[in-house]
Amino acid sequence: DGGITQSPKYLFRKEGQNVTLSCEQNLNHDAMYWYRQDPGQGLRLIYYSQIVNDFQKGDIAEGYSVSREKKESFPLTVTSAQKNPTAFYLCASSITGDNHEQYFGPGTRLTVT
Amino acid sequence: AQTVTQSQPEMSVQEAETVTLSCTYDTSESDYYLFWYKQPPSRQMILVIRQEAYKQQNATENRFSVNFQKAAKSFSLKISDSQLGDAAMYFCAYRSLYYTGTASKLTFGTGTRLQVTL
Repeated sequence: DGGITQSPKYLFRKEGQNVTLSCEQNLNHDAMYWYRQDPGQGLRLIYYSQIVNDFQKGDIAEGYSVSREKKESFPLTVTSAQKNPTAFYLCASSITGDNHEQYFGPGTRLTVT
Repeated sequence: AQTVTQSQPEMSVQEAETVTLSCTYDTSESDYYLFWYKQPPSRQMILVIRQEAYKQQNATENRFSVNFQKAAKSFSLKISDSQLGDAAMYFCAYRSLYYTGTASKLTFGTGTRLQVTL
């Protein structure tokens, strides 16, 4: 089955620690996205990658970093510089090109205390 | 920058009835895409329906249809014959026609929680 996997589903960390969220896709999509979801808000773009070794900051990139060493993988690191890291994080991917929808992973709920 | 507004935080519908969820957006672009996504309690985002702005015909997918009013920048979702499985958060989203870079991102509204009652 093709799809996007995110692990783990729930993640707990202490304040001051960096944490990396996993996102893997086997859809052969070039474009990958990280979104953040907070209660009462829609999803907001953190980072975008169109191809391997290339990525661009989204609307709320401060305190986050990413890498794209393989086409299938787009991990997100939440650093200690992120002021309010507790949120639900969704990874998405799509074919690069007109009229292509984004497919979403199941998400990771990160709680930092 | 584009914005998407969903003014109904919560809606309720009886099973088998019809409900309409509202969405308005603001953009200076003439061509774009609009989407409705469903997020059930599992929190998986599921695409419900898509509308291309250059198409005058309203999109339909089985029990789901949209009323797209381009001049009014309105994009409502109608769910007919509502089922218990339709209970979820529904998000309206906008995407620019430009498909590269961060311009290809989705801009979401704040969502409408739909309850379906017996």
